[in-house]
Amino acid sequence: AQSVTQLDSHVSVSEGTPVLLRCNYSSSYSPSLFWYVQHPNKGLQLLLKYTSAATLVKGINGFEAEFKKSETSFHLTKPSAHMSDAAEYFCISNFGNEKLTFGTGTRLTIIP
Amino acid sequence: DAGVIQSPRHEVTEMGQEVTLRCKPISGHNSLFWYRQTMMRGLELLIYFNNNVPIDDSGMPEDRFSAKMPNASFSTLKIQPSEPRDSAVYFCASSFSGVDNEQFFGPGTRLTVL
Repeated sequence: AQSVTQLDSHVSVSEGTPVLLRCNYSSSYSPSLFWYVQHPNKGLQLLLKYTSAATLVKGINGFEAEFKKSETSFHLTKPSAHMSDAAEYFCISNFGNEKLTFGTGTRLTIIP
Repeated sequence: DAGVIQSPRHEVTEMGQEVTLRCKPISGHNSLFWYRQTMMRGLELLIYFNNNVPIDDSGMPEDRFSAKMPNASFSTLKIQPSEPRDSAVYFCASSFSGVDNEQFFGPGTRLTVL
């Protein structure tokens, strides 16, 4: 079955240190992959997307993600965390249709 | 662009009452999605429309839920009668058709059924 797995439900990093949020997918072909962020009491906002073009994708607010087919991964990174990055992050895919498959989310906490 | 607009932002009602949630998609988008978010189940797709036509309603929990899209700029999600277990945040999202196109989410409606 096609699925998206976020490996960490909660990640804590200190302000100014790198962020790594992990996502793996399971599919027989390369899906479209998205990272969205949800701040408290807000809707989901797109950070970046992969659609079979460049494997290194740059998004908003300094985030980027690398699609690695050999590892079936699409991890989200940022070189230096800001307090404003504290939020829930979702790795999301669609596997050939418009219905999205959601990861369970990773809550990112930034330590001052 | 105003983005996806949802109303009301908060709704508190009593069990058994009818609830109607509203959504205005981004102008020009031809796909519209209704989601529900709870702590227990995360984000779930309830139904989606393409060119105002319901394509997949397999996520609608039961007959108490219904959704309509009478035109390209408006959709409703109705719950009748409401139950406490319907308490959740309901999101509407819209996009251009196509698997590579991202969905734009509204701010959500927080529904509390007492």
